[in-house]
Amino acid sequence: AQKITQTQPGMFVQEKEAVTLDCTYDTSDPSYGLFWYKQPSSGEMIFLIYQGSYDQQNATEGRYSLNFQKARKSANLVISASQLGDSAMYFCAMREVWNTDKLIFGTGTRLQVFP
Amino acid sequence: DGGITQSPKYLFRKEGQNVTLSCEQNLNHDAMYWYRQDPGQGLRLIYYSQIVNDFQKGDIAEGYSVSREKKESFPLTVTSAQKNPTAFYLCASSTRLAGAYNEQFFGPGTRLTVL
Repeated sequence: AQKITQTQPGMFVQEKEAVTLDCTYDTSDPSYGLFWYKQPSSGEMIFLIYQGSYDQQNATEGRYSLNFQKARKSANLVISASQLGDSAMYFCAMREVWNTDKLIFGTGTRLQVFP
Repeated sequence: DGGITQSPKYLFRKEGQNVTLSCEQNLNHDAMYWYRQDPGQGLRLIYYSQIVNDFQKGDIAEGYSVSREKKESFPLTVTSAQKNPTAFYLCASSTRLAGAYNEQFFGPGTRLTVL
């Protein structure tokens, strides 16, 4: 069963607008963590934001925020005030506490920001 | 500067040859990982190591081998047994703290092409 699902292969957003990238997950472990990574065309993976399953508040890091809806098992990334440099692949990932060695990735969403 | 280095950035090999990809980290992390990324796909775990002289197979270990003789180094060998080795290979490392939050830091990647 697919553990991380990103249903948007590609998204377009105009500069300075906000965009939401979707991520749903599947786990029976009550304790887990959710990560978002950015991968520019150069290939490196850049950590953006983390949300723990027991965190009461949605995580925020600068222009990035995570819309965490535990009952729906969704962890959508919201990028506010998009910039041209935000154009990249974005990956959602999950680690289950019972299996802390593995970080399970989704297939990614390609975001393109246009002027 | 602390970080992860991978070399070379681009690698070409002839079919039937073994090739070794280098990964070095100076973050003093205990855990290291190798991932494979194919076009339009997420990352898939090849091998991981939690401590020196110990490593475990990931989801797609067939045709690959690793060693972990030093904490800083985790080289990956792509053997001739790997049927479709052309891909982008990413190395990562992390601490081994308890819980779900152990951010993985990634290297810049090696793009392997089999001719």
